Amino acid sequence: EAQVTQNPRYLITVTGKKLTVTCSQNMNHEYMSWYRQDPGLGLRQIYYSMNVEVTDKGDVPEGYKVSRKEKRNFPLILESPSPNQTSLYFCASSSGTSGGYQETQYFGPGTRLLVL
Amino acid sequence: AQSVTQLDSQVPVFEEAPVELRCNYSSSVSVYLFWYVQYPNQGLQLLLKYLSGSTLVKGINGFEAEFNKSQTSFHLRKPSVHISDTAEYFCAVSDRGNFNKFYFGSGTKLNVKP
Repeated sequence: EAQVTQNPRYLITVTGKKLTVTCSQNMNHEYMSWYRQDPGLGLRQIYYSMNVEVTDKGDVPEGYKVSRKEKRNFPLILESPSPNQTSLYFCASSSGTSGGYQETQYFGPGTRLLVL
Repeated sequence: AQSVTQLDSQVPVFEEAPVELRCNYSSSVSVYLFWYVQYPNQGLQLLLKYLSGSTLVKGINGFEAEFNKSQTSFHLRKPSVHISDTAEYFCAVSDRGNFNKFYFGSGTKLNVKP
């Protein structure tokens, strides 16, 4: 089954304790992206990757890191989490560009993070 | 950067009634436009998208949207809603200058009542 998986689905942590949220897709997609969803703000893009070893900042990259060493994986790293990073995080992937636009993004189920 | 405005945070509607969910975006430069739906406790799914061509776009589940360049709007419509359409709907934009970046609206919760 074609899917985007995220782990963990739920995470409670404390301020300053480094954490990684994994994202994996089995569709051989080139493009992957991370979003955070907050009430009243919708989704905001954190980072995206056009292909292996190619990443760029989205709208809200502060406090986050990403890497893309393999095509299928795009982990999100919070080096020193703070309470304002409490949010619902989504990973998405698409098959890449075609005619100058991104193809349909497929979203993972989300990771709910609470930073105390 | 783009900004996307969904003025209605919640829209209650009776089953079988028509509905329109409004979306306006900030920039008049060429854009790609999307509507996504999020069912409770799930990720987002694409409903429809406007890339070019006809300004009326049809999507899944009987939804359609109309691109209006002069009003920088992309409103979503359905002539007759069903209980199963209860969900949160997000409008999203990417501009042709950088189609890798996406900007989402704050969402509209559609509550279909029997």
